[in-house]
Amino acid sequence: GENVEQHPSTLSVQEGDSAVIKCTYSDSASNYFPWYKQELGKRPQLIIDIRSNVGEKKDQRIAVTLNKTAKHFSLHITETQPEDSAVYFCAASMSGITGGGNKLTFGTGTQLKVEL
Amino acid sequence: KAGVTQTPRYLIKTRGQQVTLSCSPISGHRSVSWYQQTPGQGLQFLFEYFSETQRNKGNFPGRFSGRQFSNSRSEMNVSTLELGDSALYLCASRGVDRGHTEAFFGQGTRLTVV
Repeated sequence: GENVEQHPSTLSVQEGDSAVIKCTYSDSASNYFPWYKQELGKRPQLIIDIRSNVGEKKDQRIAVTLNKTAKHFSLHITETQPEDSAVYFCAASMSGITGGGNKLTFGTGTQLKVEL
Repeated sequence: KAGVTQTPRYLIKTRGQQVTLSCSPISGHRSVSWYQQTPGQGLQFLFEYFSETQRNKGNFPGRFSGRQFSNSRSEMNVSTLELGDSALYLCASRGVDRGHTEAFFGQGTRLTVV
């Protein structure tokens, strides 16, 4: 089955700096890659996602890049703010011929701390 | 539009007991998935239901089971509880079958087995 590795497990940056979190996946059939943010005691929430037919996607300060050949994708957060402090999870999923499944395979998470 | 609702929010059970958790998806969503979240293992997929049928299953023992009702509400059951079953159980609902759309998570049920 699919296996997703995520690095680093913890990341500390100064406010205003950029943060990068990297993930690799094992199954070349995976074609959907969401990123979730989970604040302490709260539910995971989608912050950005990318499909395999796209190499990069950006939404304000957040961007995701995908390299299908190398089977890795990355989350980039620019101009970090204290409210960006949370755990970030990458995930991979695949859609079958008959339609989408909802099985997400998650990375182990990155604790991001933005310091003032 | 109400979000994904999970009940109860917290549960304390004794080893050997069984437990049933409930998940009400967003109105109109027919896909419900369940995940177990623990500090050591992260988020692990349990199973997915779509239109009352189990469509995917993760690598969990048979003590973990689920079902979905005609109104898309889903329940998961864990029998013969073990200490290692202590975790946050999250469900996620999704709106369409074909292609990929966002999976919306509930707040979770925190299960503690003593």
